Amino acid sequence: EVQVLESGGGLVQPGGSLRLSCAASGFTFSNYAMSWVRQAPGKGLEWVSAISGGGGGTYYADSVKGRFTISRDNSKNTLYLQMSSLRAEDTAVYYCAKVPSYDYGGNSDHFDYWGQGTLVTVSS
Amino acid sequence: SYEVTQPPSVSVSPGQTASITCSGEKLEDKYVCWYMQKSGQSPVLVIYQDTKRPSGIPERFSGSNSGNTATLTISGTQALDEADYYCQAWDSSTGASFGGGTKLTVL
Repeated sequence: EVQVLESGGGLVQPGGSLRLSCAASGFTFSNYAMSWVRQAPGKGLEWVSAISGGGGGTYYADSVKGRFTISRDNSKNTLYLQMSSLRAEDTAVYYCAKVPSYDYGGNSDHFDYWGQGTLVTVSS
Repeated sequence: SYEVTQPPSVSVSPGQTASITCSGEKLEDKYVCWYMQKSGQSPVLVIYQDTKRPSGIPERFSGSNSGNTATLTISGTQALDEADYYCQAWDSSTGASFGGGTKLTVL
């Protein structure tokens, strides 16, 4: 059974940093791209970042480019999101999601499995 | 950036057919997928590549994409289908682009 489990969320002050983790199981982690998608309280879904199966390709939404860094450790079946220079508008539930292909960036890209999410609150 | 637009809400009576639209420029040139998100839960993929259903998704869920509009159709809608539904397309300049979501109410 495919499972992805996020952790690392919490309360952080504006300008601060936080690292999210996503532990994956039930599939060959290194064969698939992975992504982060967030949802602000009461709002819709927003794609944040993605990384190819081998980690060589990384992609970011304009809203986080230069502030967030996605990475993965295939030996630990774990995905990460390093967030810095956090702003109030980054407050959201952050979901880890699996992409059903090795590479990200194709016309048919979608997310076939999602975690339960971890809440990040940016406030003083 | 590429944007897709959904109606904020759709209502349907139990047993009837619900249609939720997703609009975007030349949307038929892109693959569209749909997610269902029940209150307090994570999104679940219900349609991908315009018309395909993942395993475990009931046959009453179907999708289409033509021109500038993609449509999610739920036939014989049940109370348990009440949820927020999001469409998503992919664009080389934007990455994954989600619609704003449609709240489906089963009256």
